[in-house]
Amino acid sequence: SAVISQKPSRDICQRGTSLTIQCQVDSQVTMMFWYRQQPGQSLTLIATANQGSEATYESGFVIDKFPISRPNLTFSTLTVSNMSPEDSSIYLCSAGLAGGEQFFGPGTRLTVL
Amino acid sequence: KNEVEQSPQNLTAQEGEFITINCSYSVGISALHWLQQHPGGGIVSLFMLSSGKKKHGRLIATINIQEKHSSLHITASHPRDSAVYICAVTGNFNKFYFGSGTKLNVKP
Repeated sequence: SAVISQKPSRDICQRGTSLTIQCQVDSQVTMMFWYRQQPGQSLTLIATANQGSEATYESGFVIDKFPISRPNLTFSTLTVSNMSPEDSSIYLCSAGLAGGEQFFGPGTRLTVL
Repeated sequence: KNEVEQSPQNLTAQEGEFITINCSYSVGISALHWLQQHPGGGIVSLFMLSSGKKKHGRLIATINIQEKHSSLHITASHPRDSAVYICAVTGNFNKFYFGSGTKLNVKP
């Protein structure tokens, strides 16, 4: 298994600013993912965070808006840039293990005013 | 059409009732997952299964690969079981597809 922590757990931000969310895993994992969960919706994959190379983004998500770093096998960051109220969501990171299981972080609840 | 369909969307039960949540999927999968999300937002993995049946305490998950269908059962439900239950599948390239979730409210 893997235990995942995220910081911050929640934040309230002003329109036009940026927020960086950190994700820490307690063990080395091959795959890390970032998801968005808009109010009342299910999870949507933003991107796969690749160690040592650029993240792989899903359709509808771009690097300029959601830059991702993954400097090693236990840590990743997601930045939500130039925020607008439409970015208000829960952002979750997850770690994928070789057997196909994913473990999720506690989420970051973002409110943009 | 969503790759993963769940029903019901909302479910209210009295404490002690037997609960069933259903999940159907339309893609090829290597595994199916049942997840639990509490109001704070964090998600806990309950089960990962690729065939048959698994049981943890009062929770039972079954999958029928031929019919592309899975069920999550909760026996002797309790108010602390109130949460959103999400069905997800691992498809090609380890990509996850999520159902829309079932919001369960168990009343005392």
